[in-house]
Formats: sequence, C-alpha cells, structure tokens
Amino acid sequence: DADVTQTPRNRITKTGKRIMLECSQTKGHDRMYWYRQDPGLGLRLIYYSFDVKDINKGEISDGYSVSRQAQAKFSLSLESAIPNQTALYFCATSRAGNGYTFGSGTRLTVV
Amino acid sequence: AQSVAQPEDQVNVAEGNPLTVKCTYSVSGNPYLFWYVQYPNRGLQFLLKYITGDNLVKGSYGFEAEFNKSQTSFHLKKPSALVSDSALYFCAVRESGANNLFFGTGTRLTVIP
Repeated sequence: DADVTQTPRNRITKTGKRIMLECSQTKGHDRMYWYRQDPGLGLRLIYYSFDVKDINKGEISDGYSVSRQAQAKFSLSLESAIPNQTALYFCATSRAGNGYTFGSGTRLTVV
Repeated sequence: AQSVAQPEDQVNVAEGNPLTVKCTYSVSGNPYLFWYVQYPNRGLQFLLKYITGDNLVKGSYGFEAEFNKSQTSFHLKKPSALVSDSALYFCAVRESGANNLFFGTGTRLTVIP
C-alpha cells in the first residue's frame, strides 16, 4: 500500500458542483499539505496543516477549503468548482525539518 | 520571502553524457534545499536534500547536487545520463524557521538515446 493515498485518481465534474478530494497517510507524519500543479507554474500551495487543530492558508486558498479529520486524513473541498480549477492536485506529508512524501495525485477536470 | 528559479523549462542531453539541471534560490536565512523528480502520471519523488554540512550532496539514482552559497545555487547533476532519467525535475527551498517548501516551476529533462 502507498504511504500517501489520494482518492479519486481522476475526476470530471461540472461547473458549480461541490467536490471533495481525499488524502490519507500511513507515514505517521504530523504535517499535511495540498498543492495544485499547473503546466509552467510548478506546484502551488493551497492549504497546510501541522496537526488536527491547525489549518493554514497557502498561496492560492481562494475557492478551496480543507478538513483535517484525523492525523492521517486531510481532505480538500471545492465548494463550487470552476473551470480554472482544472489541475493536478497533490497531497503531501512531512515531519518537521524533513522533505515531503507525495501522493500520486488527483487529476481534476471541471467542465 | 523565499523563492526558487529553474531557468530552463527543458534540458536535452544525450545518453551517457553528463547532465545538469539548474536551480537558484532566494531566502532570508539559511536554506534547506531539495530536489524532486516526477515521472509521468506519478507523484513527486524525493531525490536529495541539503540541510547543512558538505556542499556536495549525493542522492538517489546516482544524482548529486552542489550547494553554492555565494551563487545561491543548488544545481542537480549526474555524470552519465540514462534514458530512464527522462522526467520532470523540481527544485524546492525552505528557509529555516519557515513552515513549508516553495517549489520551482520544473525542468523537463529528456535523455536522447
């Protein structure tokens, strides 16, 4: 089993729909992150969480919300999806001072 | 504020030749520097990191990177490229005391047989 699991792997949704992307980890890491990847823009941070009671906005949090349901689970929601949220979304985990472990990504298409 | 630049969107190299993927950074304090690789339809995989100590850092798959404080660079290198090294490479930086990594825009490496 993967250390960081993202579901779904692919999703097509319509404009205006609510969608949730889920991330779970077996690394035992306290820190979790959501990034989106767009061609030519690299990875941009959406939200991050250092423990269950800690949620922080990243560079591009508008239009997104998150929930840290447990140390091992961190979900990303798009309350009302729009086409420019079409991207590849990555969840990552880490311990303080260390590098990140990434999930395999969720490819989201908003039509 | 922290930032990282990967000046080349694309690098092409012949199989067996040495490769270099460039990265420069800007931080207020001491940098923590990382390289990640992304293969098609996969997440990012950790290659190597520099926190402190020797300026030459060795990582996975025969890659290494040299930290150069005066030039604020952390270029990724490999002595002999393989076709299987073809992928998207990301440099990332975090300044000490900061909360998260800041990624470059990525460099696509193509190794030509």
